[in-house]
Amino acid sequence: QKEVEQNSGPLSVPEGAIASLNCTYSDRGSQSFFWYRQYSGKSPELIMFIYSNGDKEDGRFTAQLNKASQYVSLLIRDSQPSDSATYLCAVGDMRFGAGTRLTVKP
Amino acid sequence: EAGVAQSPRYKIIEKRQSVAFWCNPISGHATLYWYQQILGQGPKLLIQFQNNGVVDDSQLPKDRFSAERLKGVDSTLKIQPAKLEDSAVYLCASSLARGPPLNIQYFGAGTRLSVL
Repeated sequence: QKEVEQNSGPLSVPEGAIASLNCTYSDRGSQSFFWYRQYSGKSPELIMFIYSNGDKEDGRFTAQLNKASQYVSLLIRDSQPSDSATYLCAVGDMRFGAGTRLTVKP
Repeated sequence: EAGVAQSPRYKIIEKRQSVAFWCNPISGHATLYWYQQILGQGPKLLIQFQNNGVVDDSQLPKDRFSAERLKGVDSTLKIQPAKLEDSAVYLCASSLARGPPLNIQYFGAGTRLSVL
């Protein structure tokens, strides 16, 4: 059984802080990794994807991948109240984690 | 560019009834996915199509769920008969292809199913 694990949270950070979201996966053969954001009652929307070890930055978001340790993380800098949502990690053959609920407090 | 279209948006049925959902992917997207998302959980992949062929249906409850993608474009997902535990949002997604870097998925708005 291929597993994708995320801390369920909730994670609460103050506005302007860095939010750190983590995800581990069991399938060592996975080649692609995604972070989706899902607002309550809405469908997931893609934030970042990463295929290679290391960091990938896009605006306030940084994805970090470590295939040897089988984890992928998402950092959100200068967190805003509008970032409050559930963040879903998806791996390779489209297995999703349960999501981490993030709340950014003004 | 039009996104992934799904219908209906909401459906309420009684247990043991049947229901069908429809999905039209983004034009040119060869890969189509159906997910079930129960409240508070992540999406669970039910079935993946590459064009009109099934790539992965290992998590599809085949005794009651069926799906098809005729002509490699639109797809329908059917539940017959429905159970209370089928209450969930059914999400359709599509991507250009299966493997990286073309496997970025775009999701439709989903169909919220309530089974009473």
